[in-house]
Amino acid sequence: EDQVTQSPEALRLQEGESSSLNCSYTVSGLRGLFWYRQDPGKGPEFLFTLYSAGEEKEKERLKATLTKKESFLHITAPKPEDSATYLCAVQARGSQGNLIFGKGTKLSVKP
Amino acid sequence: GEEVAQTPKHLVRGEGQKAKLYCAPIKGHSYVFWYQQVLKNEFKFLISFQNENVFDETGMPKERFSAKCLPNSPCSLEIQATKLEDSAVYFCASSRRGYGATNEKLFFGSGTQLSVL
Repeated sequence: EDQVTQSPEALRLQEGESSSLNCSYTVSGLRGLFWYRQDPGKGPEFLFTLYSAGEEKEKERLKATLTKKESFLHITAPKPEDSATYLCAVQARGSQGNLIFGKGTKLSVKP
Repeated sequence: GEEVAQTPKHLVRGEGQKAKLYCAPIKGHSYVFWYQQVLKNEFKFLISFQNENVFDETGMPKERFSAKCLPNSPCSLEIQATKLEDSAVYFCASSRRGYGATNEKLFFGSGTQLSVL
């Protein structure tokens, strides 16, 4: 069964304290791995898509990496405005395009 | 429009009543997806459309849930005879292209919070 597990469930950082969020996946053929950010009361906002092991993508303080079993979202020198829930999702080759989501990591960055 | 518009933002129904949710996808997007988010972060895929045609309905509960995307109208998700466990946030998302196209990211609306009392 296709599955996505994110850890930790919650992460509290001080402003400027870099860290990483983990997304482990098992899927019958990976078509793509997606990272989204979700703020309270809002829908998920697209961050990155990764397609193959070894691929990396960067956007401001965020960097996403992908291996054959997991993805990491690295946050460098975070700011309070980076506080949100970060969701990982996979799209399987055998699917019709829908995403399988993990439960997310709730990130809080204190000034 | 440039964003996925979902209405209403909040919907309260008594158990057994009907609930109808609406979604206007981004103009030019051919694919619409419905997801149910329960217990804060658990997303469950319900159904997807390619224009007005059902693309994938593997996640749809067979009995009380139905959905449509008709030309020149918002898409809709209807729940007949709501139950307590239907309480959730229902998200609609759209994409320009569907499965098989590269870089087909989903754009999500802000969701409809359904509370069944």
